Amino acid sequence: AQSVSQHNHHVILSEAASLELGCNYSYGGTVNLFWYVQYPGQHLQLLLKYFSGDPLVKGIKGFEAEFIKSKFSFNLRKPSVQWSDTAEYFCAVRFSGGYNKLIFGAGTRLAVHP
Amino acid sequence: DAMVIQNPRYQVTQFGKPVTLSCSQTLNHNVMYWYQQKSSQAPKLLFHYYDKDFNNEADTPDNFQSRRPNTSFCFLDIRSPGLGDAAMYLCATSRGASGETQYFGPGTRLLVL
Repeated sequence: AQSVSQHNHHVILSEAASLELGCNYSYGGTVNLFWYVQYPGQHLQLLLKYFSGDPLVKGIKGFEAEFIKSKFSFNLRKPSVQWSDTAEYFCAVRFSGGYNKLIFGAGTRLAVHP
Repeated sequence: DAMVIQNPRYQVTQFGKPVTLSCSQTLNHNVMYWYQQKSSQAPKLLFHYYDKDFNNEADTPDNFQSRRPNTSFCFLDIRSPGLGDAAMYLCATSRGASGETQYFGPGTRLLVL
């Protein structure tokens, strides 16, 4: 079955620390990959996406993600987090062979302390 | 400025009493989706509309129905809510259905008493 897993459910960091959130997906051929963020009380917003080309993708607010096909991974990174990055982060995958269905990971709650 | 609007943001209903959740969009997108997100779980697609074509996920219970009277509006009807249907319901839209970015509304949190 197609699935997406996020390694950490809760992450706590201090400001200026580096961030890496893991995302792995089950094998399914060609994929489109997304990271969404949900700030407290707000809706899901797209951080970045990968469809093809350069496997290192840059998104908004200093986030980037790297697609490693051999590892079925799409990890999210940020060199230096800020208190305003406190949010829940969701990895989502569109597997080939269908329409625009997204399979989401369970999310990672990030808390950044000043 | 709002693009995908969901009303109400919080809905309380009684066990077995039908409830309707509403979603509207100002993006003129062709595709509208409904997701269910239970506490600490991933959002799960219930169904979607491509224009007027309805596409149900295989594991969506029959208790859940949807209507899309026009491009802008889409409704989620829960015919007989059970306690297990308490969740956040997310509406999303996309321009097309080939890897297009989905834009989400703020969600409606449903509580079943």
